[in-house]
Amino acid sequence: DTGVSQDPRHKITKRGQNVTFRCDPISEHNRLYWYRQTLGQGPEFLTYFQNEAQLEKSRLLSDRFSAERPKGSFSTLEIQRTEQGDSAMYLCASSSYQRQQETQYFGPGTRLLVL
Amino acid sequence: GNSVTQMEGPVTLSEEAFLTINCTYTATGYPSLFWYVQYPGEGLQLLLKATKADDKGSNKGFEATYRKETTSFHLEKGSVQVSDSAVYFCALSDFQGAQKLVFGQGTRLTINP
Repeated sequence: DTGVSQDPRHKITKRGQNVTFRCDPISEHNRLYWYRQTLGQGPEFLTYFQNEAQLEKSRLLSDRFSAERPKGSFSTLEIQRTEQGDSAMYLCASSSYQRQQETQYFGPGTRLLVL
Repeated sequence: GNSVTQMEGPVTLSEEAFLTINCTYTATGYPSLFWYVQYPGEGLQLLLKATKADDKGSNKGFEATYRKETTSFHLEKGSVQVSDSAVYFCALSDFQGAQKLVFGQGTRLTINP
């Protein structure tokens, strides 16, 4: 069990640029979540995949955000035309849903700074 | 909607002191409850969990009991160490659709030697 990994760990970009983050979940986990955490706050849910299907998106996820999980393995989160308000830590978590219970395991996060 | 309220920080204690971090929740149904810990520059690590009323979660000397009557899940530890310094998040799993986690705002804990 190698845990959830995220890449890159840090990203600095200029306003208006596009950025893409990658998440590799724990193998055999069929559920994958993206959260956003701003300074001094708890993480907030963005979106969720079960296998390759994106089943729910938060209202926080504007049209500039898109997420994919091709083949139900790794996932990418893309932000187009970044804004300074997008600066945050983006966290990925994966889980395996069993017997109506699940525990989410988090990656180290990607810290985004938009200048 | 579902929500979690945590004791405001920061909390500063001396080594070997007793720790309590309060957490209360509002939810429909019977959510699972979690405590996660975040060390500087890192992601969240699961500390403990409880899935039904009166369950006690425990790990690394930390404990929390799921109290349905008071809608609480307070985190306790009998004797804290410097290495426990971190930010602690209480969370519930929202069963509305995806079992996404709803987090409190976090409590920063600093332990002085």
